[in-house]
Amino acid sequence: GAVVSQHPSWVICKSGTSVKIECRSLDFQATTMFWYRQFPKQSLMLMATSNEGSKATYEQGVEKDKFLINHASLTLSTLTVTSAHPEDSSFYICSARQATEAFFGQGTRLTVV
Amino acid sequence: GQQVMQIPQYQHVQEGEDFTTYCNSSTTLSNIQWYKQRPGGHPVFLIQLVKSGEVKKQKRLTFQFGEAKKNSSLHITATQTTDVGTYFCAGQWGNKLVFGAGTILRVKS
Repeated sequence: GAVVSQHPSWVICKSGTSVKIECRSLDFQATTMFWYRQFPKQSLMLMATSNEGSKATYEQGVEKDKFLINHASLTLSTLTVTSAHPEDSSFYICSARQATEAFFGQGTRLTVV
Repeated sequence: GQQVMQIPQYQHVQEGEDFTTYCNSSTTLSNIQWYKQRPGGHPVFLIQLVKSGEVKKQKRLTFQFGEAKKNSSLHITATQTTDVGTYFCAGQWGNKLVFGAGTILRVKS
């Protein structure tokens, strides 16, 4: 199947700093990518839909100024958590769809201290 | 907004027993997908159901899509320890995929 690569796998940052997470589709082009957040033992919550060359579409309750999404090419979308706080600590996963199937990145475990 | 309800939240079975998880949506779905996530891992696509009343099988796994395209189930026959993990359904509306809460499956050997 297709491969979606997400980097970094885990990151620890200080409160108030920003963290950038990259999501790449390695062997296919993705005009749309999706960013999810998952708390321990909970489901994946869709945060936003990233559209290549245009603004991302954010789900209700997700602060677009805090979670900056850039989808500058057909193979790369980035999520930047700005001015991170401990409550932003979570597992962030990106996804891209090829045909009818969604492929997920490995996820990024963010810990804000 | 779109929501997918999934039950049970957790199930602990003896190896060899069957397991079923159910998903329900209040609105008609374009399709429903099933994923498995192992502890510490990311969701892995299992299958997609599109047609009303569709039934698909993958070895010991049987997936069903309701006639009204609002509910779905995943049934595992004779569970094995390799089946452990969290099973998520995900309903699709347009371009959006919304996940159910997931069912955590534990298998005692």
